[in-house]
Amino acid sequence: KAGVTQTPRYLIKTRGQQVTLSCSPISGHRSVSWYQQTPGQGLQFLFEYFSETQRNKGNFPGRFSGRQFSNSRSEMNVSTLELGDSALYLCASSLALSSGHHTQYFGPGTRLTVL
Amino acid sequence: AQKVTQAQTEISVVEKEDVTLDCVYETRDTTYYLFWYKQPPSGELVFLIRRNSFDEQNEISGRYSWNFQKSTSSFNFTITASQVVDSAVYFCALSEETGNQFYFGTGTSLTVIP
Repeated sequence: KAGVTQTPRYLIKTRGQQVTLSCSPISGHRSVSWYQQTPGQGLQFLFEYFSETQRNKGNFPGRFSGRQFSNSRSEMNVSTLELGDSALYLCASSLALSSGHHTQYFGPGTRLTVL
Repeated sequence: AQKVTQAQTEISVVEKEDVTLDCVYETRDTTYYLFWYKQPPSGELVFLIRRNSFDEQNEISGRYSWNFQKSTSSFNFTITASQVVDSAVYFCALSEETGNQFYFGTGTSLTVIP
């Protein structure tokens, strides 16, 4: 079974621009979560989508948004980029059925650099 | 408040030594789930193990073993006879009964010196 895929793997943007990152979950997984990883703040939860609905949200400004499509693929958008948005953005998928908790499997990440 | 604490920021060991990575968690839920992930230099987090709060049985998988103790809210990870390929950052994570959010510790960077 193919793992979680993320595109692009690397991205360089300038301040004020916007960016869209894409994540394709493992086949059959319906939940997609996004995390930001920086040396200073570690791994921070952005949001989780399940069946095209945002189910959980972390403590990030509204510039960070996401969506999930009917095939469970997800996109994350960051508008008006700031230098501090430079980070590794990780996507994780899980089965996340109606009950119980399921292991999250991570993709390779997208390394975003904001200049 | 930090839900998962990994007090060891960096550890260096010589190859073939045993090493234990500590993880202390905090939760009010009676049902929760604990995880360990490995992040090699490539960046991808690799799932290692999941443990449910109602299952305190320790687990061994090859050179890896995990010690779960609810009494001390700890879920420690031991690598026996470490190898250079074990060099990575290791993260402990907690998922509570309410919500599918994972809370990660700050990670422990392990360097195995040949």
